[in-house]
Amino acid sequence: GQSLEQPSEVTAVEGAIVQINCTYQTSGFYGLSWYQQHDGGAPTFLSYNALDGLEETGRFSSFLSRSDSYGYLLLQELQMKDSASYFCAVLDGGYQKVTFGIGTKLQVIP
Amino acid sequence: EAQVTQNPRYLITVTGKKLTVTCSQNMNHEYMSWYRQDPGLGLRQIYYSMNVEVTDKGDVPEGYKVSRKEKRNFPLILESPSPNQTSLYFCASRGGEGGGHLNTEAFFGQGTRLTVV
Repeated sequence: GQSLEQPSEVTAVEGAIVQINCTYQTSGFYGLSWYQQHDGGAPTFLSYNALDGLEETGRFSSFLSRSDSYGYLLLQELQMKDSASYFCAVLDGGYQKVTFGIGTKLQVIP
Repeated sequence: EAQVTQNPRYLITVTGKKLTVTCSQNMNHEYMSWYRQDPGLGLRQIYYSMNVEVTDKGDVPEGYKVSRKEKRNFPLILESPSPNQTSLYFCASRGGEGGGHLNTEAFFGQGTRLTVV
């Protein structure tokens, strides 16, 4: 089976940097994905890491360490609109099943 | 515009009355999935499909059925809904080309909030 762990809540100040961690256990790992979901909305895809290292997309970056079964999402220059839930997810390629973490609710405060 | 469309957005029904939630995507994606989202439990995969006539169970398939007769459509069927199926449901899709089969979901529908009384 597969399991992912991420913090349930994080609070950060507008303009600051926040890191959301995700550790995973999976039988067949292909990559780690991140999604953003605002209250009442649908999840939207943010990033995907298949290889070790940091991937940067604007204010958001995602990191993966396959040897540590660990990744994180880094949000810089936080804005109020970044207040949302963030989910990590992995794919079991052999079975094409997708498992999501329970999500981290990020609250950005002034 | 690339999108996944679910209908209805909101549904209140009674226990035991069969219902279908429709899902359609316009991106010619091979992979489609259904998820339910419950507080404290995150998104859990119900069923997935790798192509037409190819479906398989996710983590919480009990009480649900799916079909994939056309590539664009992937309806979710609740033959005899029960109150524990009250939840927020999402349909999702991703392509198989260019390594897409090794990625997770690319697009989600707007969600269907189902209440079973």
